[in-house]
Amino acid sequence: QKEVEQNSGPLSVPEGAIASLNCTYSDRGSQSFFWYRQYSGKSPELIMFIYSNGDKEDGRFTAQLNKASQYVSLLIRDSQPSDSATYLCAGRGSGAGSYQLTFGKGTKLSVIP
Amino acid sequence: GAVVSQHPSWVICKSGTSVKIECRSLDFQATTMFWYRQFPKQSLMLMATSNEGSKATYEQGVEKDKFLINHASLTLSTLTVTSAHPEDSSFYICSASSQEETQYFGPGTRLLVL
Repeated sequence: QKEVEQNSGPLSVPEGAIASLNCTYSDRGSQSFFWYRQYSGKSPELIMFIYSNGDKEDGRFTAQLNKASQYVSLLIRDSQPSDSATYLCAGRGSGAGSYQLTFGKGTKLSVIP
Repeated sequence: GAVVSQHPSWVICKSGTSVKIECRSLDFQATTMFWYRQFPKQSLMLMATSNEGSKATYEQGVEKDKFLINHASLTLSTLTVTSAHPEDSSFYICSASSQEETQYFGPGTRLLVL
């Protein structure tokens, strides 16, 4: 059974701080990972994806992947109240059905002004 | 970026009626489309995966005769909830991916069955 685990939160950080969101996965065959942001009542929107071990930066967001530890994280620098949302981690495996994503249950982030 | 639309954005219907939801990829060709359902304060649940021109693959526990999926073109997939009942009330979200594999989500459709 492929699983993606996230702390449900809520994770509260003050405005301007770094928010660190973590995710672990069980399927060693997972090839790529995606972070989505979902505001309450809205559908998920893609923030970024990562395929390779290491860090990938995009603006205030940095995704980190460690395949040996089966660990993915998302760092949000200079957190803003508008970043308050639920963040979904998803992994995509290889082989049959590889286009499917396995989603975690999401971590709720609250950025306190 | 990739844009996916859904129509309608919300629908209210009587129990026993059928509801059709459209999902369109507006600026790319979607070889694969996915249909999810999300109940309040719960995570996304994949219902089915559809490839253009092929029958949809349904997840375990999802009734294929109740949730009819058609993926007739590379830009359009439809989900029909047949004989809807109040327990089918949910937030239905589609996503689409091309050869690049990243899934882009539509804005979702809220269904309320009275």
